[in-house]
Amino acid sequence: SQQGEEDPQALSIQEGENATMNCSYKTSINNLQWYRQNSGRGLVHLILIRSNEREKHSGRLRVTLDTSKKSSSLLITASRAADTASYFCATPQGGSEKLVFGKGTKLTVNP
Amino acid sequence: DADVTQTPRNRITKTGKRIMLECSQTKGHDRMYWYRQDPGLGLRLIYYSFDVKDINKGEISDGYSVSRQAQAKFSLSLESAIPNQTALYFCATSSVGGPTGELFFGEGSRLTVL
Repeated sequence: SQQGEEDPQALSIQEGENATMNCSYKTSINNLQWYRQNSGRGLVHLILIRSNEREKHSGRLRVTLDTSKKSSSLLITASRAADTASYFCATPQGGSEKLVFGKGTKLTVNP
Repeated sequence: DADVTQTPRNRITKTGKRIMLECSQTKGHDRMYWYRQDPGLGLRLIYYSFDVKDINKGEISDGYSVSRQAQAKFSLSLESAIPNQTALYFCATSSVGGPTGELFFGEGSRLTVL
């Protein structure tokens, strides 16, 4: 069953603009992860934020987590054409160690 | 060489055929997973294994079986392939338990069942 749901499903922006993607989840979590997938390729881990963290940065990536709203956002600043990919949030299922992925946001950055 | 290697990368087969997708890893991780990706449905967990003697069903295990031949090898089998098993299949590994650590993915095996 789907735990995280990304929004929007698709996003198209111009190079240099910021891109914001959101993830909502249903049950309590101890961490939330974001992954990136270039077309037809394997997923690559971007960042993990723990439930006691509200914000985390990695390069041009900024992730926030609001456990009261059961939501997270991924912000990519100063986007580049190479950022074109699908982005997925993933959360542990229940109290288990299995990760459940959302359906993803497809980001297109136009040169 | 890739840390997580999947073979074959592409396979076209016919309904009723037995298919095996193989995954090997050089990361030394205990945990291995098989996911399936379909357009618009995201990734869904098929089977996972936390060590050689531990095999667990995931969300969509019907029609699939797995074998953990060694710490580094985890194979997914379709005993009698059907067209709705056409999908992109991913193997992944991780090294830590709860809270769940980062997953490392292979490049995927694209399976088409005619």
